[in-house]
Amino acid sequence: KAGVTQTPRYLIKTRGQQVTLSCSPISGHRSVSWYQQTPGQGLQFLFEYFSETQRNKGNFPGRFSGRQFSNSRSEMNVSTLELGDSALYLCASSLARESYEQYFGPGTRLTVT
Amino acid sequence: GEDVEQSLFLSVREGDSSVINCTYTDSSSTYLYWYKQEPGAGLQLLTYIFSNMDMKQDQRLTVLLNKKDKHLSLRIADTQTGDSAIYFCAEGPMDTGRRALTFGSGTRLQVQP
Repeated sequence: KAGVTQTPRYLIKTRGQQVTLSCSPISGHRSVSWYQQTPGQGLQFLFEYFSETQRNKGNFPGRFSGRQFSNSRSEMNVSTLELGDSALYLCASSLARESYEQYFGPGTRLTVT
Repeated sequence: GEDVEQSLFLSVREGDSSVINCTYTDSSSTYLYWYKQEPGAGLQLLTYIFSNMDMKQDQRLTVLLNKKDKHLSLRIADTQTGDSAIYFCAEGPMDTGRRALTFGSGTRLQVQP
């Protein structure tokens, strides 16, 4: 069974632009969570989606948003990019909201210049 | 709030045992996890333990949980050079209201041949 896939793997954007990252969960998994990883702040939870609805949100500004489609694929969007948004964005999938196993994708490395 | 602490660095010789330690503060934690991250990669779920357990063994990995002291450890037996990576401890309440994992800052394990 294929793992969690994330596209693109690498991205370079300029301050002020917006970006969309994509995540395809493991087949049959319906819950998708997003995390940001930076050297300074470590791994921080962004949000969780289940059944096309955002169920939980971390402490990030409104520039960070996401959505989930009926096939459980998820996208996250960051508008008005700042230098501090440079990070590895990781997506994790789990079978259901009650599942305690979360499997991570390889991440998208975003660099903002 | 929740906090997870780990030491930053551990160096061992190939064939020795490695012990990576972690402390957490959230007494409502339901599951505690160990993830491995190799350079340029996402997070690999190694093992997890439910908070009502004291120990879990999975091949070369042994997890010990002292719930009274909120202390978690990961022992890797017969450590190999391929075990060199960053190891993250994480805790998660995993109830339907809060699904986010809280991660420690990671312990870099260096295995010397």
